[in-house]
Amino acid sequence: EAGVAQSPRYKIIEKRQSVAFWCNPISGHATLYWYQQILGQGPKLLIQFQNNGVVDDSQLPKDRFSAERLKGVDSTLKIQPAKLEDSAVYLCASSLDREGQWVEQFFGPGTRLTVL
Amino acid sequence: AQSVTQLGSHVSVSEGALVLLRCNYSSSVPPYLFWYVQYPNQGLQLLLKYTSAATLVKGINGFEAEFKKSETSFHLTKPSAHMSDAAEYFCAVDNTGKLIFGQGTTLQVKP
Repeated sequence: EAGVAQSPRYKIIEKRQSVAFWCNPISGHATLYWYQQILGQGPKLLIQFQNNGVVDDSQLPKDRFSAERLKGVDSTLKIQPAKLEDSAVYLCASSLDREGQWVEQFFGPGTRLTVL
Repeated sequence: AQSVTQLGSHVSVSEGALVLLRCNYSSSVPPYLFWYVQYPNQGLQLLLKYTSAATLVKGINGFEAEFKKSETSFHLTKPSAHMSDAAEYFCAVDNTGKLIFGQGTTLQVKP
C-alpha cells in the first residue's frame, strides 16, 4: 500500500514570495491533516479536512496561508506571501474516517521550506 | 487545555544501555497518549499508543511505555539501545480529536 506522498521535498524561496505544497493521501482516507514543524518543536496542526470540508483551521494563519482539498483527495497548502518565520517542515497526514473512534494518522515525509 | 512536556531535548546513551525518554501530560479528561519516532528526512511513525486499556503498552522495535495517572506521565523505555534507534521521538496527547505534540527528544546512541 502506498503511503502519503508529498512534493516537493525541499523548497527555498525569498521572503514575500509565494509557495505551494502538494499532498496525496493514502487511498480511501477521508481525513487529511497539514502540520507545521518548526525546527526544535513538535508538529502543530494547521488544518484538518474531512473529505473536502474543513473540520479545524483554528491555527491556520489565514492572512497568508490557504489550503484546499478539491474532490476530497489531493490537497494543496499555499503560503502567500512567505515570511522568514514560515521556515519549517510541512507534514501532511491522512487517516480513515474517525466516526468518534481513535484512528491512526499516517504521515508523509514532509516538505522542508527555507525562507531567505 | 491539553499539553505535553518532554523532559530533555537531547538524550545520549551507549549501545546496549537502557533508553528512557520522559513525557508528562496535562489533560482535564483521561487522554489518549502516543509516542512517535521520526528518522531524518522522514515523516512520523507511530511507536505505540495508550487508549485506556492496559497501562503498560508495548510498541514496535522493542519499545514500551507505562501510563501513570498519579504522576501524569507516559515515559518511553527500551531495555537495550541499538544504533538504529537514533532518531527524534515525540510524545503526543489526543482527547479532542486533535494531536498535541511535545517538543521532541533527540536520542543519540553511541557505539
